[in-house]
Amino acid sequence: GAVVSQHPSWVICKSGTSVKIECRSLDFQATTMFWYRQFPKQSLMLMATSNEGSKATYEQGVEKDKFLINHASLTLSTLTVTSAHPEDSSFYICSASGAGYNSPLHFGNGTRLTVT
Amino acid sequence: DAKTTQPTSMDCAEGRAANLPCNHSTISGNEYVYWYRQIHSQGPQYIIHGLKNNETNEMASLIITEDRKSSTLILPHATLRDTAVYYCITTAGSSNTGKLIFGQGTTLQVKP
Repeated sequence: GAVVSQHPSWVICKSGTSVKIECRSLDFQATTMFWYRQFPKQSLMLMATSNEGSKATYEQGVEKDKFLINHASLTLSTLTVTSAHPEDSSFYICSASGAGYNSPLHFGNGTRLTVT
Repeated sequence: DAKTTQPTSMDCAEGRAANLPCNHSTISGNEYVYWYRQIHSQGPQYIIHGLKNNETNEMASLIITEDRKSSTLILPHATLRDTAVYYCITTAGSSNTGKLIFGQGTTLQVKP
């Protein structure tokens, strides 16, 4: 089945630094990927839609200049958290649609970001 | 906002069937019902989806009412590894290239 891989699985960074998270579709091409954020004991919140070769579409309330998304190829989307602060500490998850008709979205295993 | 309503939590005995309900009374004609689950500290896992007919795969069965306003996910023989948060989501399109909006889901606790 379709596999979505995220890297790193966890990262700790200091306040004010930037962190890049990669999302790869390993056995299929994904023109669209989605980025979610999940705080403890809460559900997943959609942050943005990543479109290959074009600008990402951000959900209301998500700062596009803080959460930079690049989808330069059909198998890779990156999310960069710029000037991270402790409140950005969260579980970040990406997803992509598998190849073929009637294929559901598949999710990566997430990246745990801790900002100290 | 999520367009589905699920019970906050449920318990199930190991080896028994787990029946997880979902209300989606405002579902549109072109919207599918998707079920995902999330085991602690992992990404969501796709389970099953359907439009109006009942569906079955190796993981579960999906029963959709005739008026499509509700559905039930059935795990036929629950195991401890099925303990997770289960999300019922409605979205347009069978290929699911559209974004998924997650509600709070149902926390299923499978007990020995």
